[in-house]
Amino acid sequence: QSALTQPASVSGSPGQSITISCTGTSSDVGGYNYVSWYQHHPGKAPKLMIYDVSNRPSGVSNRFSGSKSGNTASLAISGLQAEDEADYYCTSYTSSSTVVFGGGTKLTVL
Amino acid sequence: EVQLLESGGGLVQPGGSLRLSCAASGFTFSSYAMSWVRQAPGKGLEWVSAISGSGGSTYYADSVKGRFTISRDNSKNTLDLQMNSLRAEDTAVYFCAKDRYNTKSRGFDFWGQGTLVTVSS
Repeated sequence: QSALTQPASVSGSPGQSITISCTGTSSDVGGYNYVSWYQHHPGKAPKLMIYDVSNRPSGVSNRFSGSKSGNTASLAISGLQAEDEADYYCTSYTSSSTVVFGGGTKLTVL
Repeated sequence: EVQLLESGGGLVQPGGSLRLSCAASGFTFSSYAMSWVRQAPGKGLEWVSAISGSGGSTYYADSVKGRFTISRDNSKNTLDLQMNSLRAEDTAVYFCAKDRYNTKSRGFDFWGQGTLVTVSS
């Protein structure tokens, strides 16, 4: 159950676009279209931003989008806003019927 | 409105036990899988355990297998996590999370606010 690999940090200026990658294996990310992304502001409950690789829950801005190629999933955020500054985590269902998180990426809006 | 309210956290000595509970409301509890997710101080989120909607299937992270037991009472809309043989590395905020589906985890759409567990002598 090794954690999925995410960059420790990314940054961008307001209005710009950024992408966060999430790399796993064929036993998790590559084997299932069950990748999710969460936004987490410290001290608050995490918020689901993307599920099933590329679907947005109701109420989530269309500035957030998800995709997957092989064993790597990606979260893209366009038109960066100050309130997007948070920690972002990917997860995937695994062949062991468990869930694995990525190590998390700190997004800084400059 | 979906609500998840955790309770039971606190300070416990290494080797001790603690039982966390999560009271759920606002949805048909038995129709959805539930999970516990934790965050150690200064660390990222870590999935701990999951249970299917019926309670018939349970799953654990390797780090807690054999020490933690997840259970649910669909008549009371409650989710529990019995934690035994606690270690310092189990110190974390523990979140209760609702899955979008009954079995295979396809995203946690609602989360509680978390309860802090501190394992220390």
